[in-house]
Order: sequence, then structure tokens, then C-alpha cells
Amino acid sequence: DGGITQSPKYLFRKEGQNVTLSCEQNLNHDAMYWYRQDPGQGLRLIYYSQIVNDFQKGDIAEGYSVSREKKESFPLTVTSAQKNPTAFYLCASSIWDQANSPLHFGNGTRLTVT
Amino acid sequence: GNSVTQMEGPVTLSEEAFLTINCTYTATGYPSLFWYVQYPGEGLQLLLKATKADDKGSNKGFEATYRKETTSFHLEKGSVQVSDSAVYFCALSESGANSKLTFGKGITLSVRP
Repeated sequence: DGGITQSPKYLFRKEGQNVTLSCEQNLNHDAMYWYRQDPGQGLRLIYYSQIVNDFQKGDIAEGYSVSREKKESFPLTVTSAQKNPTAFYLCASSIWDQANSPLHFGNGTRLTVT
Repeated sequence: GNSVTQMEGPVTLSEEAFLTINCTYTATGYPSLFWYVQYPGEGLQLLLKATKADDKGSNKGFEATYRKETTSFHLEKGSVQVSDSAVYFCALSESGANSKLTFGKGITLSVRP
């Protein structure tokens, strides 16, 4: 079955450490996205990528970095510069050039930084 | 800029009750409108969508009509089930592109047997 896989489901890190969240898709989608979900705040866009080797900042990119070396993969690094990294992180993908194509989401990674 | 406003939650209903979840939006152009659902411990799934004024999206007994005159996209279901317990997000995208999907804050629905 096609889909998006995020790993791990739960991740614990000490403050000051960088951590990388994995996102892989086999839907052959061009576009991929990272969202952050916090209680009562909905989803906020961190980064997105329309095509391999290209990505754009979303609304809350500070303290995060991404890469898009392969179409299937869009890892997100939460750096030590991110002031409030504890959150639920969702990866998504879509067909880029098809208007109104829905987003397909992974099941998320819950990151806890202490 | 674009924004989506959802009614405050949480909402608790008894099984077979009628459901309405309000959603209004602000957009500069002619957006497409979506409802996504998030079941416990999972990512979001598309529930329904509407791409132009007066369109009605429907799926699994849920419906929402794109009302341009009131800038609204309220979600309704005639008879909710316990399995409908989830978080519901209203969202919009700019015309012709999916990159800037703007979400509301979401509302938690709990359905009692």
C-alpha cells in the first residue's frame, strides 16, 4: 500500500541536542511538507518542498532545517536553536501541479525535549 | 492574509445527535476549502472538500457547503456515532496551489454511547 511513513513514533532528547525526524513516501508525490501541531493551535507549516533539491520556509522555520535529496524522503532536523521543540510533528505529501490535490499525512512523531 | 476560524471546543454529543461544527474563513482570492479529521494517535485524513462557491462536499455522512456570501464552510452530520470521535480541522488553500494550506485550530468531538 502507498503511504507516508514517519519514524520514530515517539522521540526523547535532551535539551541542546539536534534531532532528525524521518519522513518517507511511496506515493510518487512531488511535494512534501512538515507541520507542527500544538494543543489549541492547529497545524503550522515549518517547511515544504516542491521538487528534489529545493525547499521553502513555511511560517515557523526558525530553529529547523530540512533536505530533499530524494523524491521519497524529506527529513526534518530540529536544532538546538528551536526554543520550544516539544510538539507533535506531521509530515505530508501531495501532487504539486494538480490544483486542489489533498494532502496525505503520516501518523506523526511526538518529540519530547527535556 | 488567509485565515480560518473554527468554533471553540470541545464538543460532546450523545450518539445519534445532530452535529454542526462552524468554520469561517478570510481569503484574498477564491480558495478551495477542506475538512480534515484526525483520529487518536494518527495523522490527518481528508474528510471532504469543495473547490468553488455553492459546491457541497460529502463523505461518510458528513456534509459541508461552500458559502461565499457568508465565507463559511460549516460541517454537518445528521446522526453521529461513537466512531466519529476525533479532532476536526477546517482548512483552505489558495487557488491552484496546495503549498499554503491554512488550518483552523481544530475542534475535538467526543460522542457518548
